[in-house]
Amino acid sequence: TQLLEQSPQFLSIQEGENLTVYCNSSSVFSSLQWYRQEPGEGPVLLVTVVTGGEVKKLKRLTFQFGDARKDSSLHITAAQTGDTGLYLCAPQSNTGKLIFGQGTTLQVKP
Amino acid sequence: NAGVMQNPRHLVRRRGQEARLRCSPMKGHSHVYWYRQLPEEGLKFMVYLQKENIIDESGMPKERFSAEFPKEGPSILRIQQVVRGDSAAYFCASSPRSDSNQPQHFGDGTRLSIL
Repeated sequence: TQLLEQSPQFLSIQEGENLTVYCNSSSVFSSLQWYRQEPGEGPVLLVTVVTGGEVKKLKRLTFQFGDARKDSSLHITAAQTGDTGLYLCAPQSNTGKLIFGQGTTLQVKP
Repeated sequence: NAGVMQNPRHLVRRRGQEARLRCSPMKGHSHVYWYRQLPEEGLKFMVYLQKENIIDESGMPKERFSAEFPKEGPSILRIQQVVRGDSAAYFCASSPRSDSNQPQHFGDGTRLSIL
């Protein structure tokens, strides 16, 4: 059974602060996707990481895939209230299906 | 809107009735995945389909649930004789190919409530 853990589960910070969300697994994955989901909506794709050690940047968001392709992190610089939402990491199995954890609920207060 | 379209957005059924959830993938996508999100839980994979074929149904309950993706028209997730435990948000995602590096794009889901 593939175990996927995201931490922290909940995070409440002030606007302007930095934060990091972690995604850890007991398995090696060929790729991993990060999504953000807002209440009442579907997950929105942020990034796909494929290569061990890969770093991708999306404005103030920095995504890293671990060298062993078993873990990933998302770092947000100078958080804004618009960053509030549920952040989901989803490794992809070799059959294509995504494996989701509980996610990290982020609240950014003005 | 070229995104994944799901309908209805909200569906209310009484116990014992049937629920039909529809998903039209993004243009050019022939691979569809269904996921279920129970209250206070993460998204769980249910079934993966290509046109006219079920590729992986390992996450779908063996009874009462079925899925199809016909040559023409949307993918359908069908739940027969619904029970209260079926209340959840059902999401559909699509991708252009099946290899594991293909990102999946999600619809906004169908929220199913069982009375």
